[in-house]
Amino acid sequence: EVQLVESGGGLVKPGGSLRLSCAASGFTFSHYSFNWVRQAPGKGLEWVSSINSGNAYMYYVDSVRGRFTISRDNAKSSLDLQMDSLRADDTAVYYCARASTGGNYDPIDIWGQGTLVTVSS
Amino acid sequence: EIVMTQSPATLSVSPGERATLSCRASQSVSIKLAWYQQKPGQAPRLLIYGASTRATGVPARFSGSGSGTEFTLTISSLQSEDFAVYYCQQYSNWLRTFGQGTKVEIK
Repeated sequence: EVQLVESGGGLVKPGGSLRLSCAASGFTFSHYSFNWVRQAPGKGLEWVSSINSGNAYMYYVDSVRGRFTISRDNAKSSLDLQMDSLRADDTAVYYCARASTGGNYDPIDIWGQGTLVTVSS
Repeated sequence: EIVMTQSPATLSVSPGERATLSCRASQSVSIKLAWYQQKPGQAPRLLIYGASTRATGVPARFSGSGSGTEFTLTISSLQSEDFAVYYCQQYSNWLRTFGQGTKVEIK
């Protein structure tokens, strides 16, 4: 079964750091690009970051660039999001999401169940 | 940044009726447009990609059309399980953007 399972969410104070992880199974991880997409409570979806299959291209939405870092370990079939200098408006459910191929311009075809990040003092 | 605008924000439809959802891009995205369905407490699910291709397992009552800047998702005969929020997303640009969503509710 194709599956993405996120972990690492929780409560963190403003200015703090958190590292999210996504464990993939049921497919050849190294063949695909991946994304992080977030959803603030009661709000819509916001694309956050992506990384291509070759680990050569990483992209970020302006609001997180310089604070978040996406990375992948093809040997472990895992995707990470290092989040530093967290702010209250980073509070959201974060979804790990697979793109349909390994390129830079593909739809998301598989989603994880999400992990909640709450930034509050 | 390509801005995606969905309309209406909320659509009230009776079961068995047709629902038509719109998505407009601020500049051409060709056919690099996807539609997702999200139910409360669940992750989104891919319905349509390439503007008009149904994803695996998606019922034929869902259809997508359009190109460039104007796109439509049509649900031909709403079933109870179709009441949800629907998002469009463009992936023609590395900064892929979502619309704000259309909630399809029971009339």
